[in-house]
Amino acid sequence: GQQLNQSPQSMFIQEGEDVSMNCTSSSIFNTWLWYKQDPGEGPVLLIALYKAGELTSNGRLTAQFGITRKDSFLNISASIPSDVGIYFCAGQRGSGNTGKLIFGQGTTLQVKP
Amino acid sequence: DAGITQSPRHKVTETGTPVTLRCHQTENHRYMYWYRQDPGHGLRLIHYSYGVKDTDKGEVSDGYSVSRSKTEDFLLTLESATSSQTSVYFCATSLTYGTPQDTIYFGEGSWLTVV
Repeated sequence: GQQLNQSPQSMFIQEGEDVSMNCTSSSIFNTWLWYKQDPGEGPVLLIALYKAGELTSNGRLTAQFGITRKDSFLNISASIPSDVGIYFCAGQRGSGNTGKLIFGQGTTLQVKP
Repeated sequence: DAGITQSPRHKVTETGTPVTLRCHQTENHRYMYWYRQDPGHGLRLIHYSYGVKDTDKGEVSDGYSVSRSKTEDFLLTLESATSSQTSVYFCATSLTYGTPQDTIYFGEGSWLTVV
């Protein structure tokens, strides 16, 4: 089935560093979503992007919807230990397809205090 | 948080036995989904429901069935569990469908091990 390629698969960084991860696809998406999953929990929505070129921030998090509509990135600035978790991108192709999100494989982030 | 409760949270079962996972929501969301999460695959949609008694298949529906007799409950059944169905299962809900502003809320997950 269709997949999103998310990279990197894992990151181990020092507290205070900035983080960048991205998702790419061979297909166009109309919506890009970024979720975070804490250990033992379900994913929680961080940022939703609805227009090509859109740049949206949520605190220290910034995400962008690629101009080609085939990619998106998420940046985390000044990482802290509670940023640890798995970050998933998800794409939705259009109206009428809600729930049929396509998820990336996830980026596991570890932060060293 | 959409008040999603999954049960059981953890289960170990034997190959060939039937298993039912329950999802209960308190937000009166019309749409409900079952995903499975496996290393290297992210989350994949198994089945979803767009109303009471209205369900449809997702990406990985083989070996699974679902039922929704009430708005608040969505059941996932493995008729005869196999080791390949060892996974973490997530229920999710959304209020609306087909609009860009839909937000999907996830439950806390059910860890299923088939031995």
